[in-house]
Amino acid sequence: KAGVTQTPRYLIKTRGQQVTLSCSPISGHRSVSWYQQTPGQGLQFLFEYFSETQRNKGNFPGRFSGRQFSNSRSEMNVSTLELGDSALYLCASSLGTSGSSEQFFGPGTRLTVL
Amino acid sequence: AQRVTQPEKLLSVFKGAPVELKCNYSYSGSPELFWYVQYSRQRLQLLLRHISRESIKGFTADLNKGETSFHLKKPFAQEEDSAMYYCALSGRGAGSYQLTFGKGTKLSVIP
Repeated sequence: KAGVTQTPRYLIKTRGQQVTLSCSPISGHRSVSWYQQTPGQGLQFLFEYFSETQRNKGNFPGRFSGRQFSNSRSEMNVSTLELGDSALYLCASSLGTSGSSEQFFGPGTRLTVL
Repeated sequence: AQRVTQPEKLLSVFKGAPVELKCNYSYSGSPELFWYVQYSRQRLQLLLRHISRESIKGFTADLNKGETSFHLKKPFAQEEDSAMYYCALSGRGAGSYQLTFGKGTKLSVIP
């Protein structure tokens, strides 16, 4: 069974630009969660989508948004990029919601904002 | 609010020595707790969850509600245990359940 895939793997943007990251979950998984990982703050929950609906949202500004498609693939968008948005963005998929099921993580997208 | 604290950023032990990775949590309800591990150049993956009460790769973790702790233990460390370990709590956030991670502890097993 193929694992969670994320594209692109690396991205370099400049301040003020916007970016879209993509996540393809394991086949059959309906939940996709997104996390931001930085050396200072560790892994922080961004949001979770289940069956195309946002189930929960972490404490991030509205510049961070996401969506999920009918095939469970998910995208995350960050608008008006700031230097502090430089991070590894991880997505994870699970059969049920993240609170009840094991999460399977992707390799991450490394975003650098210059 | 839910919070997970891993007090040690780095823990170094000799091969064959016992290992204890500390995790304390703050949550008002009944939490579900997990340990995730990330080996070098690999993805983050689930190691164990408290409800399954399993021993995985020789590791065990017991939930102590009185001390709000979920420490990860192994009696004899192996070199292949060197990795980053994250404690995580699943609790109800603003909406449905969300997973909150600690900042992680890097375990280094010295041969």
